[in-house]
Amino acid sequence: QKEVEQDPGPLSVPEGAIVSLNCTYSNSAFQYFMWYRQYSRKGPELLMYTYSSGNKEDGRFTAQVDKSSKYISLFIRDSQPSDSATYLCAMREGAQKLVFGQGTRLTINP
Amino acid sequence: GAVVSQHPSRVICKSGTSVKIECRSLDFQATTMFWYRQFPKQSLMLMATSNEGSKATYEQGVEKDKFLINHASLTLSTLTVTSAHPEDSSFYICSASGSRQETQYFGPGTRLLVL
Repeated sequence: QKEVEQDPGPLSVPEGAIVSLNCTYSNSAFQYFMWYRQYSRKGPELLMYTYSSGNKEDGRFTAQVDKSSKYISLFIRDSQPSDSATYLCAMREGAQKLVFGQGTRLTINP
Repeated sequence: GAVVSQHPSRVICKSGTSVKIECRSLDFQATTMFWYRQFPKQSLMLMATSNEGSKATYEQGVEKDKFLINHASLTLSTLTVTSAHPEDSSFYICSASGSRQETQYFGPGTRLLVL
């Protein structure tokens, strides 16, 4: 079993829809949770960073962490074609290295 | 803030030659830098972690004599692919974290093609 599980998709939704992306994990010691967006042939761009459980909102993006269920989510409201990318969840325990999910390929259709 | 650059963005070289890739943190001091490799439609694979002034720590299965990493200053790390072969062709991405090491900021990546 992988430490971090993420459905690779592809996920295709119409413009304006609410997108829900998720990851599950097995290591209860993970404390830091991140979502990265990666456009084709580009490096990952940090979208959201959360420490421990709770919600965090930044514009159209909301990150949720449920440590009791070992489940994290990223919601995108009013999705735009420019949101089409691969979304990677990542997490780590203390100062340890990041553990990435496989990435979900998302397409927003105009 | 938190901008990381990489140079070159693309490089094509002949088999047997060496290629150096630079990673720079432009607006913060990177106490730790990381080098990743990414194959098409796959997630990032960590190759090595380097701290300024120290030898890099390589992940299992990564040849340290083939992938030379130098982290000479708080803003610069280099990855040298020595005696490159076609199977080394890949997308190489660096990332950097500051003294608080809360998260990593990634560079734009370098696409290497070995002919």
